[in-house]
Amino acid sequence: GENVEQHPSTLSVQEGDSAVIKCTYSDSASNYFPWYKQELGKGPQLIIDIRSNVGEKKDQRIAVTLNKTAKHFSLHITETQPEDSAVYFCALNQAGTALIFGKGTTLSVSS
Amino acid sequence: NAGVMQNPRHLVRRRGQEARLRCSPMKGHSHVYWYRQLPEEGLKFMVYLQKENIIDESGMPKERFSAEFPKEGPSILRIQQVVRGDSAAYFCASSEQETQYFGPGTRLLVL
Repeated sequence: GENVEQHPSTLSVQEGDSAVIKCTYSDSASNYFPWYKQELGKGPQLIIDIRSNVGEKKDQRIAVTLNKTAKHFSLHITETQPEDSAVYFCALNQAGTALIFGKGTTLSVSS
Repeated sequence: NAGVMQNPRHLVRRRGQEARLRCSPMKGHSHVYWYRQLPEEGLKFMVYLQKENIIDESGMPKERFSAEFPKEGPSILRIQQVVRGDSAAYFCASSEQETQYFGPGTRLLVL
């Protein structure tokens, strides 16, 4: 079955720095790639998503890039702030199916 | 428009008891997914339902676990004769198309 590898597992940055999280996958049929942010004691919150017909998408300080040939996609957060501290999960699926999640990246932003 | 609702938020059961977890999808959503999250791990798919139908239950253990999404009312995830290994956070997500929105989760503790 499909497998998603997410790196790094932990990431510590200074406020204002950029953070990059990368996920690789194996099934070329995957065509939808969301990213979720999970704060302690809460459910995952969708922050950005990208579809397989798009290479890059940006929403303010957050961007996602997708390389279908290499089968990897990345989350980029610029000008990090302490409130960005959380666990970030990549996920993917084919239309109408369950999401397959990476194991998560714990991002710590220190001021 | 209220988001995905889950109750109870916390549930404590003794070994051998039954646990019932409820999920009300976002208004207008007819697809419900249940996921389980063990401490410091990603979310693992359990079951996918549409109204009155189980579409995919490949991630759900064959014994003790069942799920339903009746024509009226919330989706229910039922765990019979709970064991300590069932302790986890259980999240449901709803969707109308491909984007899945998560509820706050039910944290089950089995003593």
